[in-house]
Amino acid sequence: GEDVEQSLFLSVREGDSSVINCTYTDSSSTYLYWYKQEPGAGLQLLTYIFSNMDMKQDQRLTVLLNKKDKHLSLRIADTQTGDSAIYFCAEDGNTGKLIFGQGTTLQVKP
Amino acid sequence: KAGVTQTPRYLIKTRGQQVTLSCSPISGHRSVSWYQQTPGQGLQFLFEYFSETQRNKGNFPGRFSGRQFSNSRSEMNVSTLELGDSALYLCASEPGPGGNTIYFGEGSWLTVV
Repeated sequence: GEDVEQSLFLSVREGDSSVINCTYTDSSSTYLYWYKQEPGAGLQLLTYIFSNMDMKQDQRLTVLLNKKDKHLSLRIADTQTGDSAIYFCAEDGNTGKLIFGQGTTLQVKP
Repeated sequence: KAGVTQTPRYLIKTRGQQVTLSCSPISGHRSVSWYQQTPGQGLQFLFEYFSETQRNKGNFPGRFSGRQFSNSRSEMNVSTLELGDSALYLCASEPGPGGNTIYFGEGSWLTVV
C-alpha cells in the first residue's frame, strides 16, 4: 500500500544546513511535496517536485529525488531559528489524495 | 489574493452533537480536499470535491460527510461526535484535480468533550 516514512526529529545549529529525508512506496506518484507546519498553524506549501525530475532548487531550499530508491530529501541552507517547525513530505499517490509522512520536527539552536 | 479560509478556527462540542466546518478555497480554485490531523494518526485524507462532486473518499465512517457548492466553497459535517474526533481539520485547495499547487488553510481546531 501507500506509505511515507520520515525521521521524527532533527536538531541543527543556526547557520548550518539541514537535510530532512523521506521515503515513499508509491511509484505512480506524479508530484512529491514538502510542507511546513508551525505551532498552531496549518500547512504551508514549501516546494514540490515533479516525479521525472532529480533536483529542484528554490532559494535556500533544494529538493533531491531518487526515484529508483523512492527517496526524497529537503535541504535547507543557512538554517535560521525561524525555520524551526514540523516538516511533512507527501506524495500524491494513484488516487490524487496526498499521503503524508509523520513529520520531522526541526529544532534550530542559536 | 486571499488564501484558503476556514471557519470556525476553534470550537468545542459535546459528545453526540454534530458540527459543520466551512472552507472557502482560493479564488479560481475548484478542487477542495479535507484532511484530519491528530497526534496519533497524523494527517489523513477525508474526501475531495471537484465541481460539486465527491471524487475520492478516505477511510472514515459515514458520520463524516461533506459537500461542495457551485461557488466551490465546501463544508464538512461530523455527526454524533466522539471524543476521538477531536482534531485539527484542514482544508486544501487546488485549481483542479491532479495539480501541483495544493494550498492548505489554517484549519479548524475541534475539541469534543
